[in-house]
Amino acid sequence: DGGITQSPKYLFRKEGQNVTLSCEQNLNHDAMYWYRQDPGQGLRLIYYSQIVNDFQKGDIAEGYSVSREKKESFPLTVTSAQKNPTAFYLCASSSNRAQDTDTQYFGPGTRLTVL
Amino acid sequence: AQTVTQSQPEMSVQEAETVTLSCTYDTSESDYYLFWYKQPPSRQMILVIRQEAYKQQNATENRFSVNFQKAAKSFSLKISDSQLGDAAMYFCAYSGYGQNFVFGPGTRLSVLP
Repeated sequence: DGGITQSPKYLFRKEGQNVTLSCEQNLNHDAMYWYRQDPGQGLRLIYYSQIVNDFQKGDIAEGYSVSREKKESFPLTVTSAQKNPTAFYLCASSSNRAQDTDTQYFGPGTRLTVL
Repeated sequence: AQTVTQSQPEMSVQEAETVTLSCTYDTSESDYYLFWYKQPPSRQMILVIRQEAYKQQNATENRFSVNFQKAAKSFSLKISDSQLGDAAMYFCAYSGYGQNFVFGPGTRLSVLP
């Protein structure tokens, strides 16, 4: 079945450590996105990528980094520079962002907790 | 910059009844897309319905329909014959052509048996 997978579902990190969240899609979508969701709030855009080897900062990119070496994969690294990383992270993809806005489809999310 | 407002932080509805969730947005664009997403307790975001601004006809998906008022910049979601499985957070989202999504803060819907 086509879809978006995120791993792990739950992630615990000690302060000062970098962690990487995985996002994979087999929908052949060009664009991929990372969002952060805090309790009782909407989604905020961290990074997005329209094509392989290219990505742009979203509204809250500080303390995060990404790569897009393959069309199917868009991993997010939460660095030690991120002051308050405990949150729920959602990955999404869409089929053709460059010409027309299209629907974003979401993965199941990763819950990151800093101990 | 575009903004999306959902003025109802929480709503409740009796099972089998109808409920309407409100959404307003601000944009100077004439062509854009509007969405409603559902986030159940599992926290997976699920697309409920999608509306293209140039289409006058309101979108419908089974028990879910929208009332799209372009001039008023209003995009409400109507859920008919509410079911227990409809209980979730509902997010309204706006997207212009070639632009990123803007999400509203969400409305938590409870369905009472």
